[in-house]
Amino acid sequence: GQNIDQPTEMTATEGAIVQINCTYQTSGFNGLFWYQQHAGEAPTFLSYNVLDGLEEKGRFSSFLSRSKGYSYLLLKELQMKDSASYLCAVRDKAAGNKLTFGGGTRVLVKP
Amino acid sequence: DADVTQTPRNRITKTGKRIMLECSQTKGHDRMYWYRQDPGLGLRLIYYSFDVKDINKGEISDGYSVSRQAQAKFSLSLESAIPNQTALYFCATSETGTSAETQYFGPGTRLLVL
Repeated sequence: GQNIDQPTEMTATEGAIVQINCTYQTSGFNGLFWYQQHAGEAPTFLSYNVLDGLEEKGRFSSFLSRSKGYSYLLLKELQMKDSASYLCAVRDKAAGNKLTFGGGTRVLVKP
Repeated sequence: DADVTQTPRNRITKTGKRIMLECSQTKGHDRMYWYRQDPGLGLRLIYYSFDVKDINKGEISDGYSVSRQAQAKFSLSLESAIPNQTALYFCATSETGTSAETQYFGPGTRLLVL
């Protein structure tokens, strides 16, 4: 089975940086995804990591360490519209390449 | 136009009723999925289909059934709805052979079972 852990909630100030951690245990790791989900809306794709290292996309970056079973999503220059839940999801070859999602981290950006 | 659509967007039904949630996509993807989302539990996979003739159970398939009528359409049925099936339901699609096989989600159906 898989176990994906991420913090339930984080608060940060507009213009600041927030780092959302995700740890996972899987027998056939085949990629990690981050999604953004505003309340009541669909999750939207942010990033994908399958190799170790940092992937940068504008204000958002995602890091992966396969040996540590660890990823983080870094949000820079926070804006009020970044208030949302951020979902970490892992794909496992041993589970038919299905995605397993963490419970999500709700980020609240304050003025 | 949205690439992945779901109907209805909201539904209220009574215990014991049969209901169907529908999903259509114009992305040309071969794989389709149904998830439910409950507060604090994240997204959980109900059923998935890798092509029209391939249907697979997810982690929480009990009480649900699906039909893949065409590559673009994937329906989820609750044969006899119960209150603990109250949730937000999402359909998703992905394409085999792309490097990430990223899943793209529809707007969701909010279901309330009384």
